[in-house]
Amino acid sequence: DAGVTQSPTHLIKTRGQQVTLRCSPISGHKSVSWYQQVLGQGPQFIFQYYEKEERGRGNFPDRFSARQFPNYSSELNVNALLLGDSALYLCASSLEGGAWLEAFFGQGTRLTVV
Amino acid sequence: QKEVEQNSGPLSVPEGAIASLNCTYSDRVSQSFFWYRQYSGKSPELIMSIYSNGDKEDGRFTAQLNKASQYVSLLIRDSQPSDSATYLCAVDQYNNAGNMLTFGGGTRLMVKP
Repeated sequence: DAGVTQSPTHLIKTRGQQVTLRCSPISGHKSVSWYQQVLGQGPQFIFQYYEKEERGRGNFPDRFSARQFPNYSSELNVNALLLGDSALYLCASSLEGGAWLEAFFGQGTRLTVV
Repeated sequence: QKEVEQNSGPLSVPEGAIASLNCTYSDRVSQSFFWYRQYSGKSPELIMSIYSNGDKEDGRFTAQLNKASQYVSLLIRDSQPSDSATYLCAVDQYNNAGNMLTFGGGTRLMVKP
């Protein structure tokens, strides 16, 4: 079975631009979470979606938004990019909603803002 | 601010030794605890989950949980150079915005041949 897949793997954007990152969860998993990992730090929680509804939101500005589709795939959108948004963006899938369940990560999208 | 704390390391151990990685957390209501391994330039890989006080063993890995002390650890027996990576502790936490997984900063482990 395929694991969590993310696209694109690498991306370079200019300050002020907008970006959309995509994630497909493990087959049978209904929940997707997004994390931002800055070099040298642990991942920071951005959003969790379950059954197309937002179930959790981390301490990120409104420039960050996400959605989940009927096939459980998800998109993370970041508007008005700042240099500080440069990071590895990780998607994790789990069977259902709730952080008490095991979560499995995709390979990540490396975003560089110049 | 609810926190998960890890010593950043590096923790250096010789090949064949036991590596002991530690994590403390601040939220007393947390119930689920996870250890992830992350190789440089790669994404985190789940290696252990633990929910009850005590020890949980899986191959060379043993996770230990003490909720009273708000402490979780990971032991790696017979450490191999391929175990050299950053180990991330993650804890489920609750706030007004919902239930989320909070990560520590990670401990870098170096296993020397």
